[in-house]
Amino acid sequence: GAGVSQSPRYKVAKRGQDVALRCDPISGHVSLFWYQQALGQGPEFLTYFQNEAQLDKSGLPSDRFFAERPEGSVSTLKIQRTQQEDSAVYLCASSKGQPGTDTQYFGPGTRLTVL
Amino acid sequence: GQNIDQPTEMTATEGAIVQINCTYQTSGFNGLFWYQQHAGEAPTFLSYNVLDGLEEKGRFSSFLSRSKGYSYLLLKELQMKDSASYLCAVRGGTDKLIFGTGTRLQVFP
Repeated sequence: GAGVSQSPRYKVAKRGQDVALRCDPISGHVSLFWYQQALGQGPEFLTYFQNEAQLDKSGLPSDRFFAERPEGSVSTLKIQRTQQEDSAVYLCASSKGQPGTDTQYFGPGTRLTVL
Repeated sequence: GQNIDQPTEMTATEGAIVQINCTYQTSGFNGLFWYQQHAGEAPTFLSYNVLDGLEEKGRFSSFLSRSKGYSYLLLKELQMKDSASYLCAVRGGTDKLIFGTGTRLQVFP
């Protein structure tokens, strides 16, 4: 079956531009996560949805970052007025949302470069 | 605070065995995951431990000691394709994963 997909795979933005990153989770997966991965580092948590409810947004670095999942499937991460420090790979992961193992499966990521 | 430590880089020879260690201090513990990540690609799931002991899956095994806050990933019969970063991640009191910085493994012929 299809895995997690993300688009675009690469995005170059000028400082100050707004960007929108899309995530299509595995069909039927209830939970959806966004992570930010800087070069040479592990992923860092940004935000988490269970269906359409955003249950945790404690990792969003500033109010320029906004995420939504209006119908409980596709999610969009929006970054307003991009800054150079926003340059990173943005990873999306989904899981069944069941107790126990509940493995998160990752998409290929969107590499954002802010000039 | 929350802290996960793993070595930054390791090297090994094709056909050998390598052990990648991970120590953690987190508020709450609800399982430890290992992921493999090739450069420019998505992290892929390798193993999950929530109880103490060894979990074996083919050439890969993972061990957990909750009392020591310690895990390791053991890779046997190394192949060139095993050259990648290996990420240790803990699910704490919530559903999010807390990752270490990753261990970059280089396998030489």
